[in-house]
Amino acid sequence: EPEVTQTPSHQVTQMGQEVILRCVPISNHLYFYWYRQILGQKVEFLVSFYNNEISEKSEIFDDQFSVERPDGSNFTLKIRSTKLEDSAMYFCASWGLFALGYGYTFGSGTRLTVV
Amino acid sequence: GQQVMQIPQYQHVQEGEDFTTYCNSSTTLSNIQWYKQRPGGHPVFLIQLVKSGEVKKQKRLTFQFGEAKKNSSLHITATQTTDVGTYFCVGSGGSNYKLTFGKGTLLTVNP
Repeated sequence: EPEVTQTPSHQVTQMGQEVILRCVPISNHLYFYWYRQILGQKVEFLVSFYNNEISEKSEIFDDQFSVERPDGSNFTLKIRSTKLEDSAMYFCASWGLFALGYGYTFGSGTRLTVV
Repeated sequence: GQQVMQIPQYQHVQEGEDFTTYCNSSTTLSNIQWYKQRPGGHPVFLIQLVKSGEVKKQKRLTFQFGEAKKNSSLHITATQTTDVGTYFCVGSGGSNYKLTFGKGTLLTVNP
């Protein structure tokens, strides 16, 4: 079954540093997303990306965040100057058709720890 | 904005007991999806419901979508330890651009 691949699986960074989280979505999917999940909390929408541009973003997705699809396969989330509260699991997802309907395929996530 | 409430937040059952989680939306949904997240894992798609009053079964799991398309439920018959995890409903208002997750129901099963 096709997978969404995320790297790295775990990233530790110092506060104020820039991080880039990488994702390879499923190749024939058209909609891509970043979600985050703070430990023990709900999955929160960050941004959706369609046709090489941001289609919607949440209030969490401020000027510190940016997304890119630089080469038609990779889909990256950049956090310019990390804060302690950015520590979370970041999930990339793409939207497509399953046997039982349309839904997300999530990657296994990048655990970001800001120290 | 669209809010999706899910109850209960936690449910602990004995293996073999049934389990149900409920989702309610503040607005009419075009469709709803259900996901399962094992502890330490990522959400995995279970099903999408689109039609008003729809009922779908997947082995021991039964999914319902309300007539008004504002609520949904997931029922597991005769739980097993492999059912442990958090079950999320995800509501769509019609756009693929932003889907709203419920807080999830964490199911634990005592063997």
